[in-house]
Parts: sequence; C-alpha cells; structure tokens
Amino acid sequence: GAGVSQTPSNKVTEKGKYVELRCDPISGHTALYWYRQSLGQGPEFLIYFQGTGAADDSGLPNDRFFAVRPEGSVSTLKIQRTERGDSAVYLCASSSSTSGGPNIQYFGAGTRLSVL
Amino acid sequence: AQKITQTQPGMFVQEKEAVTLDCTYDTSDPSYGLFWYKQPSSGEMIFLIYQGSYDQQNATEGRYSLNFQKARKSANLVISASQLGDSAMYFCAMREGARTGANSKLTFGKGITLSVRP
Repeated sequence: GAGVSQTPSNKVTEKGKYVELRCDPISGHTALYWYRQSLGQGPEFLIYFQGTGAADDSGLPNDRFFAVRPEGSVSTLKIQRTERGDSAVYLCASSSSTSGGPNIQYFGAGTRLSVL
Repeated sequence: AQKITQTQPGMFVQEKEAVTLDCTYDTSDPSYGLFWYKQPSSGEMIFLIYQGSYDQQNATEGRYSLNFQKARKSANLVISASQLGDSAMYFCAMREGARTGANSKLTFGKGITLSVRP
C-alpha cells in the first residue's frame, strides 16, 4: 500500500513569500502530524490532527504558520511571510488511532524548504 | 530537562558485529511509549521498534532489540549482525500518555550517527 506522500519534495522561495506544503497520509489513518527538522537535529513537533480538527497545535512557532485538514485526509501546512529561519525539512506523519495501541507514526520523505 | 537524551556523537561498528545505541528519557507520566527510527541519507524516517512502558518483555524486531531498563529510564537499541545498509542516523523518541487512547506528539532526541565499516 502507499505510504505517506509529501509534495513538493523541494521548495525554494524568497523571503516574505507564502508557501504551502502538502501531505497525503496513509489511507485510513485518522491521525496526522507535522514536524520540522533542522540540520543536525531531531524532528520537532508542530501540529497534530485527529480527523479534521487540530487536536494539538502547541508546536507552531508563531501565527505565520497554519495548517488545515478539511476532509480528514490530505493536510496542508501554510507558511506566510517566510523568513530565512524557516528553512528546514518539514516532515509529515500519520498513524492509526487505536485506544491503548502503539499507533506507530509513519513518516513521509519530507519537504525541504529553502528560504533565500 | 531534556526529555530524550542521546549523547553518543557518532558510532562505528564493524560489519557483522553488534552495536548498542544509547537513549535515556525523562517523564513523570506512568504511561508512555518509546520508539526508535532510522534516517538514512535519503531523509525518510523509518520506524524500527516500539516499547510500551507497561510491556513486561523487551521488544524485538528481527535484528533490532530494545534493552528497556525502566528504573534507569533507558531504552537502548541493539542492532545485531550489522550490515553496511545500517549506516544512518538513529533517533530515539517518546510519546507520553500512551495508554489514554489519545495520540500525542513524539519528542525526539538529537540522534546518533552510525557508520558500519566493511
């Protein structure tokens, strides 16, 4: 079966521009996560969706970052007025939501964002 | 305090030998899950193994095993019979509140680079 798909794989933009990053989770997974990974670091949590709603957005760094999942499947991470510090790899993961289960998060290949 | 600590900057192992990658964690939640992921140079995070805080036995998945020492709050990954393809970054991660049924974020360590020598 298909894994988590992220597009584009690479995005180069100029400071101040708006970008959208897309994530298509594993079919049937109700939970979807966004993480950001800077060079040489582990991924850092941004936001988590359960179905269509954001269950936890405590990791979003500021109000320039926003994410949606309108139909409970595909999600889009939106970054306004990009800054050079936003340059990183943005990872998406999805999991099942079995009560008490391990609910392994499976990751996509990521989108490498470069802000010039 | 850091929730996940991986202090080994880089590890080298001879092909076919076993290697242990260290991970310590910090949580006051009695219900948590511990995960190891592999990230090769291609960038994708690959799930390796999971250990629940209430699991009585250490987890094993093929050549991977997790040496879970709850009192010491350590969850070391053991890779047996190393292969050249095992060369990658390895991340330890934790999810707190694992038994509540509520999915929650993973907190990752900084990772360890493993290089397998032929």
